[in-house]
Amino acid sequence: AQSVAQPEDQVNVAEGNPLTVKCTYSVSGNPYLFWYVQYPNRGLQFLLKYITGDNLVKGSYGFEAEFNKSQTSFHLKKPSALVSDSALYFCAVRDNTGGFKTIFGAGTRLFVKA
Amino acid sequence: DVKVTQSSRYLVKRTGEKVFLECVQDMDHENMFWYRQDPGLGLRLIYFSYDVKMKEKGDIPEGYSVSREKKERFSLILESASTNQTSMYLCASSPGGRNQETQYFGPGTRLLVL
Repeated sequence: AQSVAQPEDQVNVAEGNPLTVKCTYSVSGNPYLFWYVQYPNRGLQFLLKYITGDNLVKGSYGFEAEFNKSQTSFHLKKPSALVSDSALYFCAVRDNTGGFKTIFGAGTRLFVKA
Repeated sequence: DVKVTQSSRYLVKRTGEKVFLECVQDMDHENMFWYRQDPGLGLRLIYFSYDVKMKEKGDIPEGYSVSREKKERFSLILESASTNQTSMYLCASSPGGRNQETQYFGPGTRLLVL
């Protein structure tokens, strides 16, 4: 069965510092991996995805994520955090066997302090 | 840009009422989804549809039904609302048949059942 774990409920970082939001996954086949962001009172917005190819994926707003097959991880990173990055971040996974279901993690709230 | 709209941002209903949540997408996407979002639980899939008049149960379909009479519209129905259905409801759509990838989300409907 597919599953996604976001081990941290909350991440606090100072503006200008690098940030990491962690995600680990479990799927039966090869994974399709996604990060979404939710700003207050808004729906989810797509940030980036890994389907195949280069393990380092670049996405919107300066975010990137690294696919690590041996550690089954897909951590979200940004070299220099902004206060405006404060939001709720969701990792999601789908296997590549043709199913429709995408499984979402519980979410990690990121606070960036000025 | 893909636009997914939901009929209401906020709804207050009484226990036992029948509730309709409507979702419309304007990008001719085949796949549409209904999720509920609860703190600490992330997004949980209620129902999805990969074609007109087609529907499949997600992880938590109990107490809900759906309707997809037209490609652009996917309705979620709470047959008899209960207080444990108080939640944020998110609609999403995605292109392609079985190769759906990125999902595009509406702004959400926050439902309070009294």
